[in-house]
Amino acid sequence: DTAVSQTPKYLVTQMGNDKSIKCEQNLGHDTMYWYKQDSKKFLKIMFSYNNKELIINETVPNRFSPKSPDKAHLNLHINSLELGDSAVYFCASRPLSGNTIYFGEGSWLTVV
Amino acid sequence: KQEVTQIPAALSVPEGENLVLNCSFTDSAIYNLQWFRQDPGKGLTSLLLIQSSQREQTSGRLNASLDKSSGRSTLYIAASQPGDSATYLCAVLNDYKLSFGAGTTVTVRA
Repeated sequence: DTAVSQTPKYLVTQMGNDKSIKCEQNLGHDTMYWYKQDSKKFLKIMFSYNNKELIINETVPNRFSPKSPDKAHLNLHINSLELGDSAVYFCASRPLSGNTIYFGEGSWLTVV
Repeated sequence: KQEVTQIPAALSVPEGENLVLNCSFTDSAIYNLQWFRQDPGKGLTSLLLIQSSQREQTSGRLNASLDKSSGRSTLYIAASQPGDSATYLCAVLNDYKLSFGAGTTVTVRA
């Protein structure tokens, strides 16, 4: 069983479209994250949720909206996609009392 | 704000040589430091995790040290093999988030 799973793994879409990437963790963790890896391979945090509450929002454009329906899920919705949104998006989770972060396998988004 | 720097950005060595990858961070109030491996077009593979109270961790040919007071970690890979070719990322955990370096891309020549 995959601990942190993301769908879709690959997504190619046109500029201006709206798309979502879903993330689910079956580890019972309280905290979930979204990270973005740009073309230079640099990984930067975008958002963090703790038990469905937003705790970190790292200066991400308003076109990006995370949604956490329950603590096992953190979805990323992106409006009006731009070429610069092309990247790999990684979901991750961590238990509240622990300090090991577990990553999903990534979602490759290409905007054309 | 935590900043993580990895030197060198790229490294090319002949097979059998030992690898030394460096990582430095600006805020020493960390919970842990983690080394990841990333192959082209793939996700992140966790290699070693060092808790803030530890000085080093070892797994097979890999050894990672941590000097929290000076904000440094070093990953040693002994007797490198072509299969070790990948990008190695250093990340530190503090303030509820993991901050990454830009990575060191390693090429091991057969």
